[in-house]
Amino acid sequence: DTGVSQDPRHKITKRGQNVTFRCDPISEHNRLYWYRQTLGQGPEFLTYFQNEAQLEKSRLLSDRFSAERPKGSFSTLEIQRTEQGDSAMYLCASSLVVGGATYEQYFGPGTRLTVT
Amino acid sequence: DAKTTQPTSMDCAEGRAANLPCNHSTISGNEYVYWYRQIHSQGPQYIIHGLKNNETNEMASLIITEDRKSSTLILPHATLRDTAVYYCIVRARLDGLTFGKGTHLIIQP
Repeated sequence: DTGVSQDPRHKITKRGQNVTFRCDPISEHNRLYWYRQTLGQGPEFLTYFQNEAQLEKSRLLSDRFSAERPKGSFSTLEIQRTEQGDSAMYLCASSLVVGGATYEQYFGPGTRLTVT
Repeated sequence: DAKTTQPTSMDCAEGRAANLPCNHSTISGNEYVYWYRQIHSQGPQYIIHGLKNNETNEMASLIITEDRKSSTLILPHATLRDTAVYYCIVRARLDGLTFGKGTHLIIQP
């Protein structure tokens, strides 16, 4: 399967713990996005990378959240000192952008985080 | 980004065409209309996008009005597997997408 993959698929953690999620994009895609989705809502944009550069961060991305894409391939999203409000599905997507041309985003299956 | 308005839910009989409307009256000239859908417990899936001309692919057709203030996504022969939440998104650039609550389309057998 050459789609976007995310690991783990499910994570249960206690409030105050740190968690890290991984996303592996489609191999030739140069853009990688992170979204968060809570029950009954559409996905909310968090941040995106062009290769290894983080180009945009939403105001939803508090100081407890950090994302990296060190070699322009896979990405990690870390949440420090988790709170119950962080419980959500965390979605990763990737796309190929060349010369400003618009291409669709391909989404992974998501990581469901439950903070107890 | 232009704001979009979609009905909360719609029903359609299996085998019939499903027509999903979207209003985007504040759309700018350089903004594209994108449609994604999300089947329960899966990540969103791209369907189609367009700027001003009507578009068709293997999944659906996109009809954009001449003034570009509204559009309709057409699934020509809906199946039970098309039951999902459908999101209409207007965006100038392909960076972070803004999803609303979408339309929950239920295909009835």
